[in-house]
Amino acid sequence: NAGVTQTPKFQVLKTGQSMTLQCAQDMNHNSMYWYRQDPGMGLRLIYYSASEGTTDKGEVPNGYNVSRLNKREFSLRLESAAPSQTSVYFCASSGTGVRNTIYFGEGSWLTVV
Amino acid sequence: AQSVTQPDIHITVSEGASLELRCNYSYGATPYLFWYVQSPGQGLQLLLKYFSGDTLVQGIKGFEAEFKRSQSSFNLRKPSVHWSDAAEYFCAVGAGSNYQLIWGAGTKLIIKP
Repeated sequence: NAGVTQTPKFQVLKTGQSMTLQCAQDMNHNSMYWYRQDPGMGLRLIYYSASEGTTDKGEVPNGYNVSRLNKREFSLRLESAAPSQTSVYFCASSGTGVRNTIYFGEGSWLTVV
Repeated sequence: AQSVTQPDIHITVSEGASLELRCNYSYGATPYLFWYVQSPGQGLQLLLKYFSGDTLVQGIKGFEAEFKRSQSSFNLRKPSVHWSDAAEYFCAVGAGSNYQLIWGAGTKLIIKP
């Protein structure tokens, strides 16, 4: 019952450093997402992938890049981390279409100092 | 533009008391409506969803929600809360595009013993 697995769970970065958040799902879902969660702001979509080989920008894509490596895996990269990117990041997956339930990973807590 | 408002940032309820969490949305047509719950340190889990038909929907953990078109609301209710219900609750609206949900800012539920 792995569902959506994301790593690392915690990370501290210095400003300007780069890092990649990894995500994998075992539910054979076409759609995968990266969200960030900040206090009082709910969830904001960073990037979305409708299927293997496709990615689309969400609400807050600046400063991030993504790769849909295969159907299972969807990674998020911060090329040059900034303190404004301190947040909790969630990977999620679902079947195709907005009616489908979204399944979330447990989150990655990122602090940029 | 679509939007979701959860007017209450925090709600405190005594264990065993009834609960109602408010959610108002802005959308021209009938939206897809969701409630998700986030336990401390965890990802989000679907509680229930509404697409069409009966306006009172039942979810997991004894929760229910009622869609009221005239009030643009989708309030979450539970007749008797348990200490394990302490969590943050998010309302979301799916409208238009096939991937993007619009999320409310969340309501944190605190249970008094």
